[in-house]
Amino acid sequence: AQSVTQLDSHVSVSEGTPVLLRCNYSSSYSPSLFWYVQHPNKGLQLLLKYTSAATLVKGINGFEAEFKKSETSFHLTKPSAHMSDAAEYFCVSEGYNQGGKLIFGQGTELSVKP
Amino acid sequence: KAGVTQTPRYLIKTRGQQVTLSCSPISGHRSVSWYQQTPGQGLQFLFEYFSETQRNKGNFPGRFSGRQFSNSRSEMNVSTLELGDSALYLCASSLGVGMGNTEAFFGQGTRLTVV
Repeated sequence: AQSVTQLDSHVSVSEGTPVLLRCNYSSSYSPSLFWYVQHPNKGLQLLLKYTSAATLVKGINGFEAEFKKSETSFHLTKPSAHMSDAAEYFCVSEGYNQGGKLIFGQGTELSVKP
Repeated sequence: KAGVTQTPRYLIKTRGQQVTLSCSPISGHRSVSWYQQTPGQGLQFLFEYFSETQRNKGNFPGRFSGRQFSNSRSEMNVSTLELGDSALYLCASSLGVGMGNTEAFFGQGTRLTVV
């Protein structure tokens, strides 16, 4: 069965330092992959998506992610964290032949210290 | 272009009651999915509707149901509410056609509290 694993439930960084949120997917094919961000009491906002074009994907707010098929990974990075980046981040895979179903990782809470 | 609209934003219901949540997708999107988000279980897929047909269903009891109208608006209903149904219910809209078109846009959610 398809699955998405976010390797850290919580990541804490200092403002101005790099961010790395790790994600591995499990699938027999290369699915479309997404990163979403959720601020407290808000819905989910799409940060970026991978759909089998370029393996390095740039998103909003300076985030980017690299698709590595050999490692079945799709890690999210940002060179310099900002206080406003503090939120929960979800790595998401489309479900194979499952219509619009999305498969979510458990989420990584990012804290940014001043 | 207007985003995904969910109403109401907050609801408080009593155990045993039923509730209906509404979702208006982005214009032109034919797929509407519903997710339940709780601190313990994370985001869980409830069901997806495409062109008024339920195309996929998650592992939830029959108390959870939904429907989609010809204008793509969707409703979900939960009958005989239980305390464990307290959650944030998120609706997502997408084009829904073909692989790689599952980029979903989410509403703000409906926060349901069952007391």
